[in-house]
Amino acid sequence: QVQLQESGPGLVKPSETLSLTCTVSGASISGLYWSWIRQPPGKGLEWIGYIYYSGSTNYNPSLKSRVTISVDTSKNQFSLKLSSVTAADTAVYYCAKGGIAAVAGRMDVWGKGTTVTVSS
Amino acid sequence: DIVMTQSPDSLAVSLGERATINCRSSQSLLYSSNNKNYLAWYQQKPGQPPKLLIYWASTRESGVPDRFSGSGSGTDFTLTISSLQAEDVAVYYCQQYYSTPFTFGPGTKVDIK
Repeated sequence: QVQLQESGPGLVKPSETLSLTCTVSGASISGLYWSWIRQPPGKGLEWIGYIYYSGSTNYNPSLKSRVTISVDTSKNQFSLKLSSVTAADTAVYYCAKGGIAAVAGRMDVWGKGTTVTVSS
Repeated sequence: DIVMTQSPDSLAVSLGERATINCRSSQSLLYSSNNKNYLAWYQQKPGQPPKLLIYWASTRESGVPDRFSGSGSGTDFTLTISSLQAEDVAVYYCQQYYSTPFTFGPGTKVDIK
C-alpha cells in the first residue's frame, strides 16, 4: 500500500530555513498531487501547499512568500522549504497524497508527521 | 479563502449512541458541472495523522465502518456516527477541496460520556 515518510531536522533556529522531505513508497509520484500540511501543538490543520509531479505548485497565500515545494521524481520524493522561520512555525508537519487535478485536495494517505521545533 | 466552521467544539456521547457533528462553509462547495460537493471528513486520534473518512460529502473511504456517514450539500454538512464505539474517540475535521487554499474546520472532539 502507499506509504509516506517525512524526514528532516527536528530543530531549526529562528530566521533559518526549515527543510523537509517526503518519501513515497508503494506508488509512483507521477500523475498525482502531493501536499504539505502542518499542525501547531494543540491546534488545527493548516494546508501549506501542493505540488504536481510535473513541478507545478500552489501555495497557501498565508505562507506563499516563504514556501517552496519541489519534487524529485527519480527518487519518488517531494520536499518543503520554509524560510525565515519563527516560533509560530513550530508544528507537526505532514505530507499527504492527493488525487488527480479535480481532487488534488482530497488527501487520502498521510505520513505519520514530523515535529519541527523552532528555537535557538 | 473559504472559511470552515464546525459545531459543537466538543461532545460526549454514551457508547452505542449517536454522535452528530456539523460543518458549515462560507461559500457553496457544490460544483455545478458534476453535482458533487467538495467536502471531506477526517478523523484524528491522539499522536496520529488525520485519516480520511468521507469524501464528496457522503462517500465513505474504503475500509471505513458503515456507522460513519456524511450528508449535506452546498454550505451545510453533517458527519454522523450512528453507534459510538470506544475507538471512535478522536477529533474530527471537515475540509473543503473546492478551491485553494484548501481549508479545514477547527475540529470537533468526540469523547465517551
